[in-house]
Amino acid sequence: AQKITQTQPGMFVQEKEAVTLDCTYDTSDPSYGLFWYKQPSSGEMIFLIYQGSYDQQNATEGRYSLNFQKARKSANLVISASQLGDSAMYFCAMRPNAGNMLTFGGGTRLMVKP
Amino acid sequence: EAQVTQNPRYLITVTGKKLTVTCSQNMNHEYMSWYRQDPGLGLRQIYYSMNVEVTDKGDVPEGYKVSRKEKRNFPLILESPSPNQTSLYFCASSSGSLYGYTFGSGTRLTVV
Repeated sequence: AQKITQTQPGMFVQEKEAVTLDCTYDTSDPSYGLFWYKQPSSGEMIFLIYQGSYDQQNATEGRYSLNFQKARKSANLVISASQLGDSAMYFCAMRPNAGNMLTFGGGTRLMVKP
Repeated sequence: EAQVTQNPRYLITVTGKKLTVTCSQNMNHEYMSWYRQDPGLGLRQIYYSMNVEVTDKGDVPEGYKVSRKEKRNFPLILESPSPNQTSLYFCASSSGSLYGYTFGSGTRLTVV
């Protein structure tokens, strides 16, 4: 069984500053993928970034980067230069490479202050 | 445009009145799934389908049914809705690649 834990129910960050959203996971699968999704107040799920468990380098997508520490089973999302439009719920998720089930954490609500 | 289409977006119904939430994808994806989202619990999988006529239970299947008669469609059926099924529902599909989940826009269901 897989489990994703996001320990920060809510966070504030000042506009233009960087913020790290925590995600830890537990799995017995040897090979897996880690995902982050953004859910704005309008409700849709927006894919942000993907990290494969065997990827040697941390994933980056524009202002998003993933701080992947495999031994610690953590996959933290770093958002640089926060913008007001970054205010949203953020979900960490995992999927084993051998299967299709995507398991989500409980989410972190990020609020960017002007 | 590649997309997953759910209908309706919003639905208010009464306890016990059967309803169906439709989900359709135009990407020829084999894998489709239904999730419900509740505050503090993230998204939990209800049912999933690996292909036509192949469905299986997720983490919270009680009170729901699904069918997969065609590759593009994966409707969610609530035979006798109850207030504890009030939630935000998402349909998602995947090509089976390492990444590439596409989510529908969500259906906000209220059962009174």
